[in-house]
Amino acid sequence: DADVTQTPRNRITKTGKRIMLECSQTKGHDRMYWYRQDPGLGLRLIYYSFDVKDINKGEISDGYSVSRQAQAKFSLSLESAIPNQTALYFCATSTGRSGANVLTFGAGSRLTVL
Amino acid sequence: GQSLEQPSEVTAVEGAIVQINCTYQTSGFYGLSWYQQHDGGAPTFLSYNALDGLEETGRFSSFLSRSDSYGYLLLQELQMKDSASYFCAVRDNNFNKFYFGSGTKLNVKP
Repeated sequence: DADVTQTPRNRITKTGKRIMLECSQTKGHDRMYWYRQDPGLGLRLIYYSFDVKDINKGEISDGYSVSRQAQAKFSLSLESAIPNQTALYFCATSTGRSGANVLTFGAGSRLTVL
Repeated sequence: GQSLEQPSEVTAVEGAIVQINCTYQTSGFYGLSWYQQHDGGAPTFLSYNALDGLEETGRFSSFLSRSDSYGYLLLQELQMKDSASYFCAVRDNNFNKFYFGSGTKLNVKP
């Protein structure tokens, strides 16, 4: 099994629908991140969390919310999806201990909003 | 804020050496990372530099000059499987967040 698992891998939805992308990890890392990838724009940070009680906005948090249900689970929600949220979404983890400089990514969730 | 610049695309032949540059502007800096991403795949970690100088890992090396806000990834003995996108990323001075460049697509030709 993958260290960082994202579900769903692909999702097509309509404008205005609520969508949740889920991420779970078995690495025991305390830090979890959500990134968005668009062609030519690299990866942009949406939200990050350093532990269950710590949630922080990233570069592009508008239109998104997150929930850290447990150390191993971090979900991203789009309350009312819009077409410009069509993108590839990645969850990532890192440790606060040695090795904190390494992000481990999930396989990605491709979201299409019609 | 954070700003990273890297070339959008580079082409090289199999067996050659290629250098991918990254310049950054940041309000706080802790280190520079490099990630590889194949089409349809997830980014994977390649290297990290916190101090000036060269870090070597097999065919790949990464260099950092903090005074110049500049780094590069050097790929030697290019192989076809090295065709991918390469991203530089700044780790901020809270060492908790990572900001990525827009990526360089490397095309390796026979």
